[in-house]
Amino acid sequence: AQSVAQPEDQVNVAEGNPLTVKCTYSVSGNPYLFWYVQYPNRGLQFLLKYITGDNLVKGSYGFEAEFNKSQTSFHLKKPSALVSDSALYFCAVVNGQNFVFGPGTRLSVLP
Amino acid sequence: GAVVSQHPSWVICKSGTSVKIECRSLDFQATTMFWYRQFPKQSLMLMATSNEGSKATYEQGVEKDKFLINHASLTLSTLTVTSAHPEDSSFYICSARPGTGGFNQPQHFGDGTRLSIL
Repeated sequence: AQSVAQPEDQVNVAEGNPLTVKCTYSVSGNPYLFWYVQYPNRGLQFLLKYITGDNLVKGSYGFEAEFNKSQTSFHLKKPSALVSDSALYFCAVVNGQNFVFGPGTRLSVLP
Repeated sequence: GAVVSQHPSWVICKSGTSVKIECRSLDFQATTMFWYRQFPKQSLMLMATSNEGSKATYEQGVEKDKFLINHASLTLSTLTVTSAHPEDSSFYICSARPGTGGFNQPQHFGDGTRLSIL
């Protein structure tokens, strides 16, 4: 069965510093991987996806993610964090026609 | 593009009431819509997959008669929580995949409905 792990419940980073939110996956076959962000009392917003091709994927709001097949990881990154990036981040993998979401990582960017 | 509207955003009602939540794709047709439930500080739990014109597929442990899903058109799916009780209080989120989208395409999410049963 497909699964996703986000090993950190909480990530704190100072504004202006680079941020990384970690995700590892377990799938059979080629993975389709996604990152979403959730703000309080809102649905999820799509950030980026990896299907095939370049391992470095660029997405919305300056975020990017690096697909690493040997480490089965898909970490989300941003070179310079903003306070407005503070939110809940979910990694997801396609399982059939459904998504399987990780447990989420709460990112706090401190001014 | 790819906007999903979910209504209402917040419901407070008495125990025993049935509550209907609507999920609409505003600028695309969605053959498939998904209903999730999210508890505080937890991830999304898939409740059911709704396919236009056919019966929904429920995940294990989700009561079909409790959570009625109707996907009568390519732009509208509804979730009705029947005879709601306090334990049904939660944040319910729908999502939709464009009709021409394959399984590697993003789902587009509504803003969720916070249901509080007194």
